[in-house]
Amino acid sequence: AQSVTQPDIHITVSEGASLELRCNYSYGATPYLFWYVQSPGQGLQLLLKYFSGDTLVQGIKGFEAEFKRSQSSFNLRKPSVHWSDAAEYFCATSGTYKYIFGTGTRLKVLA
Amino acid sequence: KAGVTQTPRYLIKTRGQQVTLSCSPISGHRSVSWYQQTPGQGLQFLFEYFSETQRNKGNFPGRFSGRQFSNSRSEMNVSTLELGDSALYLCASSPGDSQYEQYFGPGTRLTVT
Repeated sequence: AQSVTQPDIHITVSEGASLELRCNYSYGATPYLFWYVQSPGQGLQLLLKYFSGDTLVQGIKGFEAEFKRSQSSFNLRKPSVHWSDAAEYFCATSGTYKYIFGTGTRLKVLA
Repeated sequence: KAGVTQTPRYLIKTRGQQVTLSCSPISGHRSVSWYQQTPGQGLQFLFEYFSETQRNKGNFPGRFSGRQFSNSRSEMNVSTLELGDSALYLCASSPGDSQYEQYFGPGTRLTVT
């Protein structure tokens, strides 16, 4: 069965530092992969998506992610974190007419 | 374009009651999905509708039901509420096939007392 795993429940970084959030997927074929961000009490906002083609995808808010088939990973990166990036981040893959979400990584940003 | 809207945003109900939540998708989107989000279980898929037809359903009891109208608006209903139904209920819409990107509404926070 398809699944995504986010190994890190919490991550703390200093403002201005680089960020990498990990996501591993389980699927035989090329998956459709997504990263979403959720601020407290809000819905989910799509940061970026990967369907096929170039394995490095650019998203909104300065985020990017790289699809690595050999590692079954789709890690989210940002070169310099801003305090407003503090939120919860979800990796997801699409199944049959539904999304399958990871458990989320909560990002804390230190001033 | 207006985003996905959900009403009401907050709701407090008592055990045993029933509740109906509403979702209006982005104009032109025909697929609507519902998810339940809780601290313990995370984001769990409830069901997906496309052109008034339920195409997929998650592992929830029959107390959870939904429907979609001809204008793509969707409602979900939970009958005989239990304390464990307290959650954030999120609706998402897609232009066509929901395996592509989904756009989420702000959610309805349901508290069952």
